[in-house]
Amino acid sequence: DAKTTQPPSMDCAEGRAANLPCNHSTISGNEYVYWYRQIHSQGPQYIIHGLKNNETNEMASLIITEDRKSSTLILPHATLRDTAVYYCIVRASSASKIIFGSGTRLSIRP
Amino acid sequence: EPEVTQTPSHQVTQMGQEVILRCVPISNHLYFYWYRQILGQKVEFLVSFYNNEISEKSEIFDDQFSVERPDGSNFTLKIRSTKLEDSAMYFCASRTGSNEQYFGPGTRLTVT
Repeated sequence: DAKTTQPPSMDCAEGRAANLPCNHSTISGNEYVYWYRQIHSQGPQYIIHGLKNNETNEMASLIITEDRKSSTLILPHATLRDTAVYYCIVRASSASKIIFGSGTRLSIRP
Repeated sequence: EPEVTQTPSHQVTQMGQEVILRCVPISNHLYFYWYRQILGQKVEFLVSFYNNEISEKSEIFDDQFSVERPDGSNFTLKIRSTKLEDSAMYFCASRTGSNEQYFGPGTRLTVT
């Protein structure tokens, strides 16, 4: 699986959009970009994934650059409950094991 | 909404003792996983299980570890002789054939 690079920490004001970047310059053509998050001491939670098109669901939006070397997870209206570690993961499919990196620790300030 | 459950939430055991961590995956899921997270470290893959056999395991999953699906609902992780370094959060996950992995809340294992 390709390696990803994320900032170790970020913060965002409550109610504003949180934009979490991820670099994955060595991504292969068949690899997807997945985002998970882990709220303190809880199990990881799937957020969203995409191959090359932008994706949106009830939790977030995923913007993937045209060259697929980077992506941004957008939480449109961050709340205090969104405080968590966010993991950007590149993998070939949902069938494979998940290899977690260190992620970005997102703090939402009131 | 269906969810993965794990018991116990916290297990304390003495070094050298056997422990069994229990998971109830979501009922129509076919693929099962165990991960662990040592305090302050990354979440690490241990093992995946499908069709009553291990499909993949990591280097961490040595002979001290075993997994079993003893009936139609439970999925267990056994550590035969615990070591201090086995202290960690252990997460179970499951999925159907096509969707993402859903994680349980974890069991905190403390080996003293």
